Amino acid sequence: EAQVTQNPRYLITVTGKKLTVTCSQNMNHEYMSWYRQDPGLGLRQIYYSMNVEVTDKGDVPEGYKVSRKEKRNFPLILESPSPNQTSLYFCASSLFGGSISNYGYTFGSGTRLTVV
Amino acid sequence: SQQGEEDPQALSIQEGENATMNCSYKTSINNLQWYRQNSGRGLVHLILIRSNEREKHSGRLRVTLDTSKKSSSLLITASRAADTASYFCATDGETSGSRLTFGEGTQLTVNP
Repeated sequence: EAQVTQNPRYLITVTGKKLTVTCSQNMNHEYMSWYRQDPGLGLRQIYYSMNVEVTDKGDVPEGYKVSRKEKRNFPLILESPSPNQTSLYFCASSLFGGSISNYGYTFGSGTRLTVV
Repeated sequence: SQQGEEDPQALSIQEGENATMNCSYKTSINNLQWYRQNSGRGLVHLILIRSNEREKHSGRLRVTLDTSKKSSSLLITASRAADTASYFCATDGETSGSRLTFGEGTQLTVNP
């Protein structure tokens, strides 16, 4: 089944403890992206990747890191999580990215992160 | 910044009725997409309409796009209780690079 898989589904952690949220897609998509969803703020893009070894900042990249060493994986790293990073996180992929893409995104099921 | 803005924020209808949701945006776009999200779950892509298209259909969904007014509408015909969800429009802007910009969504409730 074509899908984007995120893990974990739920995570509670303490301030300052490094964590990684994994994202994997099995559709050979070139484009991958991370969003966070917060009440009243909607979905905001954190980072995106056009292809392997190509990543770029989205609208709210502060406090996050990503890497794209393989086409299928796009982990989101929080080096020193803080309570304002408590949110619902989504990974998404698309066949191609860029302004001529015209392809929809496939989203993962989400990771609900709580930082205390 | 939020590109798309949905209207209304919430909509409650009876099963069998049609549901119409609107989206307005600010800048030129390559395409506009509609997504559905069940509570706390991932978004599901419903339909994409390109900037040179005016109307598109997919099953019970009908999407229109008016680039002169920078607006789009999503019509769900013969609604079902299972259509209850949040619906988001997302724009792929000509100058936004590689990002979809989402509105805050319309919460649709279809009462059985």
